[in-house]
Amino acid sequence: NAGVTQTPKFQVLKTGQSMTLQCAQDMNHEYMSWYRQDPGMGLRLIHYSVGAGITDQGEVPNGYNVSRSTTEDFPLRLLSAAPSQTSVYFCASKLTPNTGELFFGEGSRLTVL
Amino acid sequence: GQSLEQPSEVTAVEGAIVQINCTYQTSGFYGLSWYQQHDGGAPTFLSYNGLDGLEETGRFSSFLSRSDSYGYLLLQELQMKDSASYFCVGNSGNTPLVFGKGTRLSVIA
Repeated sequence: NAGVTQTPKFQVLKTGQSMTLQCAQDMNHEYMSWYRQDPGMGLRLIHYSVGAGITDQGEVPNGYNVSRSTTEDFPLRLLSAAPSQTSVYFCASKLTPNTGELFFGEGSRLTVL
Repeated sequence: GQSLEQPSEVTAVEGAIVQINCTYQTSGFYGLSWYQQHDGGAPTFLSYNGLDGLEETGRFSSFLSRSDSYGYLLLQELQMKDSASYFCVGNSGNTPLVFGKGTRLSVIA
């Protein structure tokens, strides 16, 4: 069972570079989301999607873009990386917006120098 | 929007019982979830309360009182492997799941 797959697991960027974190799920989940987690902090929502073609902003969307062209994929793009974006990023999905259980990927650890 | 409050840290002895409280302010609220996260790992789902009362899953139980905007996670027969962070999350319709800052549980011998 693949579940939620994130790539890459680790990435180092220089300030100003751009990159895309990939997220794919094989559970036919409608709802997908991206969180970031900083040391000693909880998870903060960046962007989310309630279905293909629909995306919306979370708590901390600045500096990030998302798209949802298919049900399976929900990539997160960093437009111009900044040291403040050094964090661990988690992609998560659930069956519908109204169901309780959120399934997480293993996380992507990003360092911006 | 959502606002969830839980203690930042709790320490308990192996074999004991610990309760982690969560108070919330969530518009359109319909349920409370709990997640566990070990250091270096991803959060994993523990329980969901859609109705008032107690839900039991093995050594873990979760409680919800909508009238008090309050819930808790109860861990019994604590084991060292229960040392982790625990998050309560308010579920409210089509609005996204927002996590609180979590409670770091340390289990000591």
